[in-house]
This record gives sequence, structure tokens and C-alpha cells, in this order.
Amino acid sequence: TQLLEQSPQFLSIQEGENLTVYCNSSSVFSSLQWYRQEPGEGPVLLVTVVTGGEVKKLKRLTFQFGDARKDSSLHITAAQPGDTGLYLCAGAPSGTYKYIFGTGTRLKVLA
Amino acid sequence: DAGITQSPRHKVTETGTPVTLRCHQTENHRYMYWYRQDPGHGLRLIHYSYGVKDTDKGEVSDGYSVSRSKTEDFLLTLESATSSQTSVYFCAINSGRTDTQYFGPGTRLTVL
Repeated sequence: TQLLEQSPQFLSIQEGENLTVYCNSSSVFSSLQWYRQEPGEGPVLLVTVVTGGEVKKLKRLTFQFGDARKDSSLHITAAQPGDTGLYLCAGAPSGTYKYIFGTGTRLKVLA
Repeated sequence: DAGITQSPRHKVTETGTPVTLRCHQTENHRYMYWYRQDPGHGLRLIHYSYGVKDTDKGEVSDGYSVSRSKTEDFLLTLESATSSQTSVYFCAINSGRTDTQYFGPGTRLTVL
């Protein structure tokens, strides 16, 4: 069974600080997705990383896919209160659309 | 925003009663999913569908059944609800052309 482990589970930081969230697995994924979820809503896709070693940037968010395609990280530069939310990584075994999700990282950015 | 709705949005029921949740999409996406979300567990897949009348189990399928008689609707049924099924349920859709899932707004189910 493929698992995705996220760390940390909770993160409370001050506005302007940097942070990194990790998503790790012992299995290889053909791609990994990162979602953000706000209270009372469904998750919304931020990015998909596909190629080992790939780095994608979305404004102050930088996503990296590990060379072996077993792990990914999300780095936020100069966090803002608007970044507050639950961050989830997800992936599916190669050739399937049966997704698994990590346990999530709950981020709170204090003004 | 993807056209995906869930009904009801909130439901309180008693142990032992049957419950059906509905997911409706207007995107003609091939794949549809039911997840439950509980504190400390992220999202866990209950069942998913890869076409009309084609479904498969997820990691937490015990106590749940699904049906998909047409492309736009995916029903999740709890035959006899238990307190352990108190959760927030999310439906999601995927076209099958990318890995992007679009999620509905969720249904908060409380089983007393």
C-alpha cells in the first residue's frame, strides 16, 4: 500500500517568515499534486509536479519533486496570513487514477 | 469553477438509519470519487468510479456502497449508519486527461 507522509502536521508562524512542508513516500509516483484547503471548502489544486527534480514556482510558493519521484516539498517565502490553510499532497499509482492523500499540514500565519 | 455540487450539505441522522449522499457534475468528467475527511487523516478514498456502472473500492470502503447510473451522478450510500461514519464527505471529479481533481463543497454528516 502506497502512503504519503506529510510533515510537519501543524505549523504556526509569523507573517514574513519562510517555511517548508514535506511530502514523503517509500513508493515512486508518476506525479504528485499539492492542494490547499480552506475551512468549509473542498481542496483546490495548486500544482502538479511530474518530472524528477522538477521545480515549479507559483508566486511565493516553490514546489520541488524529488529526483527519485518519491518525495516533494513546498516552500513558502515571506508567508502571509492569506497562506493560512491545510496543505495536502496527493498522488496515484502509475497508470491509475486512484489517488491517495497525505495527512496534511495545517498552516497558520499570524499577522 | 468546475460544476460539481453535493447534496445535502449537512445531515444529522441516527445510528442504524440508511443515508444517501449525492454528487452531481456538469463537466462530463469520466472519474468521480468519494472521500471522507477526519482530523489527523487527511482525505481517505472510499470509492471511485471510472465510468457509468464502473466502480472500485478505496481504502475505507467498508460500510459504504456507491452507484453511478449516469455520467453526472455518483451516489454514496451508508446502508446502516454508525457513529464512526460521522465525517465530512467530499466528492471529486477528474477528466482523466490530467491529474487535476475538482472537489465539491463537502457534506457534513453527523451520526448520533
